[in-house]
Parts: sequence; C-alpha cells; structure tokens
Amino acid sequence: EPEVTQTPSHQVTQMGQEVILRCVPISNHLYFYWYRQILGQKVEFLVSFYNNEISEKSEIFDDQFSVERPDGSNFTLKIRSTKLEDSAMYFCASGGTFSGANVLTFGAGSRLTVL
Amino acid sequence: SQELEQSPQSLIVQEGKNLTINCTSSKTLYGLYWYKQKYGEGLIFLMMLQKGGEEKSHEKITAKLDEKKQQSSLHITASQPSHAGIYLCGADMGNNDMRFGAGTRLTVKP
Repeated sequence: EPEVTQTPSHQVTQMGQEVILRCVPISNHLYFYWYRQILGQKVEFLVSFYNNEISEKSEIFDDQFSVERPDGSNFTLKIRSTKLEDSAMYFCASGGTFSGANVLTFGAGSRLTVL
Repeated sequence: SQELEQSPQSLIVQEGKNLTINCTSSKTLYGLYWYKQKYGEGLIFLMMLQKGGEEKSHEKITAKLDEKKQQSSLHITASQPSHAGIYLCGADMGNNDMRFGAGTRLTVKP
C-alpha cells in the first residue's frame, strides 16, 4: 500500500538553527499538507500546497516557515530560525481524490526538539 | 472559521463495552472524516461521511452524520484494547483543506 515517508524521524537542534523536514508524498496525489502536534495537544494545520503553490496557511505558518516541492517528489518544510516553542511532531500528509472526497494519508511524523 | 468540538476529551472503558464519541461543527460540513492516532504515530484514516443521514461501518466501528451535516458520532461496539488511541474528526473546509478537532483519547482496560 502506498505510504507517505518522512525524514528525519527525530531531529534535535539548537535554538536559532535552520531545520528542513522532508516528506515524500504518494506519487499520484495532488494536495500536500503539513500539520504540527505539540506533545499532548491537538493536531494543528500549518499549510496546504497545490499546483506548486501554497493553497492555505494558518496563523502559525509565519515568515519563519516555508514549504517547497523542489523536484516533483519531495515536499519540504523549512523552519528558518527555530524557537523552543517549535518543538513538536510535524506530520506531512498528501491527498488524492476519491469519489469527490479528499482522504489524507499521513506520514509517521518528524519529531523536532529545539534546545 | 469552522470549529470542530469533540466530546468527550477522554474516555476509559472496560473491554467489551460499547462507547460513542461525538463531533460537532459550527458550520455545515462538506465532508466529515474520522481518523485514529496511536500514541506518537501518524493519523490513520477510518471513514468518511458526506451525505446527511449517512452511516458507515467497518468491523466494530460505526460512524454517522446527521441530516443537517453538523454533527457526527463514532460508535465502537464491544471495545477491545486494540481500539485504544486518539480519535479525531476532521472537516473538509472547502478548497481541500482538512482541519481536525482536538481528539478523544480512548483507553480500553482489559
């Protein structure tokens, strides 16, 4: 069964450093997403991406965040200058269409720890 | 913006018992999705409901969407330890954006 792959599974970084989280979505999906889950809290929408551009973004997705689909397969989330409060699990998801619906397939997540 | 409220926040049941989780939207839903998250893992798709009054079942899990398409329930019959996890309802916001409720943490005691 097709799956969404995320790397790294866990990254520890110093505050102020740049971090890139990588995702390989399902190949024939058209919509790509990043979500964040701070430990013990809800899954929060960050950004959606369609047709090589941002479709929607939340208030969390400020100027320190950016997304790219550099080569038609990878989908990356960059955090330019990490803060302590960026520590969270980051989930990538991709969506296809199925009978008009958008069922998302999630990756296993990348745990980011900012020290 | 559309808000999804889930209740209860957490639930502890004895193995074999039935349970219901609710999800209420502030607006009419284009589509309502149920996902399950095992602790520290990604979300797994369970079921999707689109039509008012729709009901779907998979094994011992049944999900319903009310006629007004603002409320959904997830019912588990004869719960097992394997049902433990966090259940999240998600709503298609239009434009293929998916937002989630805060989740219901289910514990099943053997």
